[in-house]
Amino acid sequence: DTGVSQDPRHKITKRGQNVTFRCDPISEHNRLYWYRQTLGQGPEFLTYFQNEAQLEKSRLLSDRFSAERPKGSFSTLEIQRTEQGDSAMYLCASSRDRTYEQYFGPGTRLTVT
Amino acid sequence: AQKVTQAQTEISVVEKEDVTLDCVYETRDTTYYLFWYKQPPSGELVFLIRRNSFDEQNEISGRYSWNFQKSTSSFNFTITASQVVDSAVYFCALSEVNTGNQFYFGTGTSLTVIP
Repeated sequence: DTGVSQDPRHKITKRGQNVTFRCDPISEHNRLYWYRQTLGQGPEFLTYFQNEAQLEKSRLLSDRFSAERPKGSFSTLEIQRTEQGDSAMYLCASSRDRTYEQYFGPGTRLTVT
Repeated sequence: AQKVTQAQTEISVVEKEDVTLDCVYETRDTTYYLFWYKQPPSGELVFLIRRNSFDEQNEISGRYSWNFQKSTSSFNFTITASQVVDSAVYFCALSEVNTGNQFYFGTGTSLTVIP
């Protein structure tokens, strides 16, 4: 399977803990995106990478959030000092180019208790 | 302001009925792309179609068809002879070439096909 993969699929953490999610994009895709999706809503853009460069960040991405994409391959999204409001599905997507469709991974469902 | 509006929150149809999902978008760009995605109960978003702003030809793929009208800023999606497997949440999305790199998603339409 050469689709987008995400790990873990589910994460339950206590408020105040740090969590890290991983995304492996489709190998030939230069662009990698992170989104957050809450119940009943469409995905909301968080940030995007062109190769290893993080080129855009949403205002939704507070300073507790950080994302990396070392060597332009996989990406990690870390949330520090988690809050209950961070509970959501975190989606990763990749695409060949800005004009092309994005392919989504299965997501990581985060529950903060 | 919401760039993509999907006014229908939930739709239920009986199997074999046709159903149209509405999508209205807002942009000042002359070059943009529109997309439809399906999110079945399993949760993974599945790409269905991509359309650029210069191509207003309607498209048909099996039981799916899309009607793009720039005059009304709409990109509607019709499923003909619906099946239970079509039950999912459907999202319309907009990508503006000149003003950013993100996709703007609508809030989705939840379609239930009743056997």
